[in-house]
Amino acid sequence: SQTIHQWPATLVQPVGSPLSLECTVEGTSNPNLYWYRQAAGRGLQLLFYSVGIGQISSEVPQNLSASRPQDRQFILSSKKLLLSDSGFYLCAWSMGYQPQHFGDGTRLSIL
Amino acid sequence: KQEVTQIPAALSVPEGENLVLNCSFTDSAIYNLQWFRQDPGKGLTSLLLIQSSQREQTSGRLNASLDKSSGRSTLYIAASQPGDSATYLCAENSGGSNYKLTFGKGTLLTVNP
Repeated sequence: SQTIHQWPATLVQPVGSPLSLECTVEGTSNPNLYWYRQAAGRGLQLLFYSVGIGQISSEVPQNLSASRPQDRQFILSSKKLLLSDSGFYLCAWSMGYQPQHFGDGTRLSIL
Repeated sequence: KQEVTQIPAALSVPEGENLVLNCSFTDSAIYNLQWFRQDPGKGLTSLLLIQSSQREQTSGRLNASLDKSSGRSTLYIAASQPGDSATYLCAENSGGSNYKLTFGKGTLLTVNP
């Protein structure tokens, strides 16, 4: 069966520090991968998606970037975090138009 | 730009009651619609997916319907239980090569024992 792992579960970072969140999927090949951010009162916002290795599409201009160095690995990064980057970050995968499956999320707090 | 709206934002019901959660969308060319459940501090769990060619999908006590012409979907929960307490989100997929979902802000459901 397929599983998705996302870490860390919580993270507290100072403003201006770098960020790296990792997501891996097991039990499938060539999945579509997604990074979402969930902020209070704003719903779930798609940040990046990838349909293959090295293929990254950005949905909104922001202080973040994403990479897909391996088929089932998706990384969310920032060189310098802003206060506005605080939120709950979720990674998800799907096969085509099948349901998306989500990780348990990372709670990011910026101080 | 597609928009998805969920009403009400919060709902509190006594245990055993049947209830309906509403979702409306603006995309007339919807490809499919998905319902998710989110427990506090957790990721989303997929509940039901309805293709645009379908009218409804059922899983246990859950039944989701889709009316493309009116831009509406409903999630019906029968005989609600305290364990059903969670936030329920709907999301529409408009097709295309990116498989993106547009989410509503969710309905926070509380089922009181």
